[in-house]
Amino acid sequence: KNQVEQSPQSLIILEGKNCTLQCNYTVSPFSNLRWYKQDTGRGPVSLTIMTFSENTKSNGRYTATLDADTKQSSLHITASQLSDSASYICVVIRNSGYSTLTFGKGTMLLVSP
Amino acid sequence: NAGVTQTPKFQVLKTGQSMTLQCAQDMNHNSMYWYRQDPGMGLRLIYYSASEGTTDKGEVPNGYNVSRLNKREFSLRLESAAPSQTSVYFCASSELGPRSYNEQFFGPGTRLTVL
Repeated sequence: KNQVEQSPQSLIILEGKNCTLQCNYTVSPFSNLRWYKQDTGRGPVSLTIMTFSENTKSNGRYTATLDADTKQSSLHITASQLSDSASYICVVIRNSGYSTLTFGKGTMLLVSP
Repeated sequence: NAGVTQTPKFQVLKTGQSMTLQCAQDMNHNSMYWYRQDPGMGLRLIYYSASEGTTDKGEVPNGYNVSRLNKREFSLRLESAAPSQTSVYFCASSELGPRSYNEQFFGPGTRLTVL
């Protein structure tokens, strides 16, 4: 079954600290993996898109890694800010079939002052 | 550039009522999507339109119909609303289809409650 599991479910960190969010998937055949940020009451906003050949991709203070062999991805946030408080969603895209996008349930991050 | 817009923002329906959720994008994208997001679950694809004139079912299409009115607009219709359709509905668009290496842009969502 095509699944995307994210951990932890929720996380509280102090402003200025770093954190890493995890995403494990069983989706096959793999096309690409995306990380989205969703602020409360808003639609998701894309942070990164990675294919199987890309190990690392950065977007400002956000760095995503991908290990296509172990089917794991992580999102590292550096020097967290209050505005980073949001849900972070991992999405894996299959390379076949009609239902090609599988969304994780998200990790809820709260950055505390 | 407004991106993806959705109307209405909030809606309360009674069981059995019908309504249409509207979505429009001004980025000249070919593909558009409708998702629902429920507490404790990931977003799930209801329907998508890979290009103007085509629509396809996603993961949870039952109880919904869609119309790709033109390249800009993609509407979602609930013919006879049920409490199980209480959810937050997101419209999204992308330049190319869902498998392509391109970003999907999401609207702000419609919060629907069916009593």
